[in-house]
Amino acid sequence: DGGITQSPKYLFRKEGQNVTLSCEQNLNHDAMYWYRQDPGQGLRLIYYSQIVNDFQKGDIAEGYSVSREKKESFPLTVTSAQKNPTAFYLCASSIGNAGAKTQYFGPGTRLLVL
Amino acid sequence: GNSVTQMEGPVTLSEEAFLTINCTYTATGYPSLFWYVQYPGEGLQLLLKATKADDKGSNKGFEATYRKETTSFHLEKGSVQVSDSAVYFCALLTDSWGKLQFGAGTQVVVTP
Repeated sequence: DGGITQSPKYLFRKEGQNVTLSCEQNLNHDAMYWYRQDPGQGLRLIYYSQIVNDFQKGDIAEGYSVSREKKESFPLTVTSAQKNPTAFYLCASSIGNAGAKTQYFGPGTRLLVL
Repeated sequence: GNSVTQMEGPVTLSEEAFLTINCTYTATGYPSLFWYVQYPGEGLQLLLKATKADDKGSNKGFEATYRKETTSFHLEKGSVQVSDSAVYFCALLTDSWGKLQFGAGTQVVVTP
């Protein structure tokens, strides 16, 4: 089955610790995205990548980092600089060519601070 | 800048009632418009979309028409079921790189 997988489902972070959230897709999509969702709010874009080895900051990139070494994978690291990391993190992907690039979402990772 | 405004929830309905969720937008150019649904603890699922003015998107009994004159994309369903209880997000896409702008979401609760 084609789709987007995110792991883990729940992740706990200690103060001062960096943690990495995994996102993998087998849809052969060029573009991938990371969003943050807080209770009662819409999604906010953290980072996005249109092609391998290239990525751009979204609206709330501070305290986060990403890499795009493979087309299928777009891991997100939440660094110790992110002071309020507790949220639901969603990864998405879309085809890269022109047109209405529908984004398809993974099941999400919930990050909690200990 | 681009923005999406949705009606606040929660919207509470009885089964078989008519559902409308209002969505209006502000955007430069000619955006594509989307409705996504999120069930508790899950990611977002695409519900329907429209890419140009007067297009009607439909899926699973839900419909929305892209109204450029009123900059709206209201979601409707004629007869809701308990299984339609979820949070619904309206979103627009204007950027050529596929950056979505989301509304805050509207929670819908359907009671038997």
